[in-house]
Amino acid sequence: QQQVKQSPQSLIVQKGGISIINCAYENTAFDYFPWYQQFPGKGPALLIAIRPDVSEKKEGRFTISFNKSAKQFSLHIMDSQPGDSATYFCAAVGGGADGLTFGKGTHLIIQP
Amino acid sequence: NAGVMQNPRHLVRRRGQEARLRCSPMKGHSHVYWYRQLPEEGLKFMVYLQKENIIDESGMPKERFSAEFPKEGPSILRIQQVVRGDSAAYFCASSPRQASNTGELFFGEGSRLTVL
Repeated sequence: QQQVKQSPQSLIVQKGGISIINCAYENTAFDYFPWYQQFPGKGPALLIAIRPDVSEKKEGRFTISFNKSAKQFSLHIMDSQPGDSATYFCAAVGGGADGLTFGKGTHLIIQP
Repeated sequence: NAGVMQNPRHLVRRRGQEARLRCSPMKGHSHVYWYRQLPEEGLKFMVYLQKENIIDESGMPKERFSAEFPKEGPSILRIQQVVRGDSAAYFCASSPRQASNTGELFFGEGSRLTVL
């Protein structure tokens, strides 16, 4: 499975602030980039996703920015809330792999 | 519509014993994926199955691990002669079509294996 590099490993943001998580990939054959959110003791759940022909996608407070030339994409959480505290995984689809290739995750804590 | 069901949620085994983890996919889903999650390591792909067929087992250790998805019943991930390094959370995910086409997987809540 090809690698997707995710940073930072952990992140602490004040309530109301912007949380930013970054991912980078090597395989240009990846053709879909979802983000998953995982709460403690639960399985990951799809949060938002983007295709490489779009530079930005916004759903509520969550935005994905995609830079195809740099092979990087990032998740922005605006007006971060304590309920957003979770582990976030970026992923990539395609590139010859059958499943999703996940980053190592970012443990996000939003302080009240 | 029930989600992906995994059991047991927690399993404790002694070294050398066998662990069997079960996964019932969402209704209408015939594609099942197993992932292993270790702290600080993210989700590692293990195996992809369709009914009665193993499609891709490139992420499975060569020994002691096996998976099946029979025509009737849940998918099973089997770990023989467990060692402490097998301690992890094992997640099953399902999809109505191959994930490389849909881009989305529906995950269960995981089975947490502890090897003493």
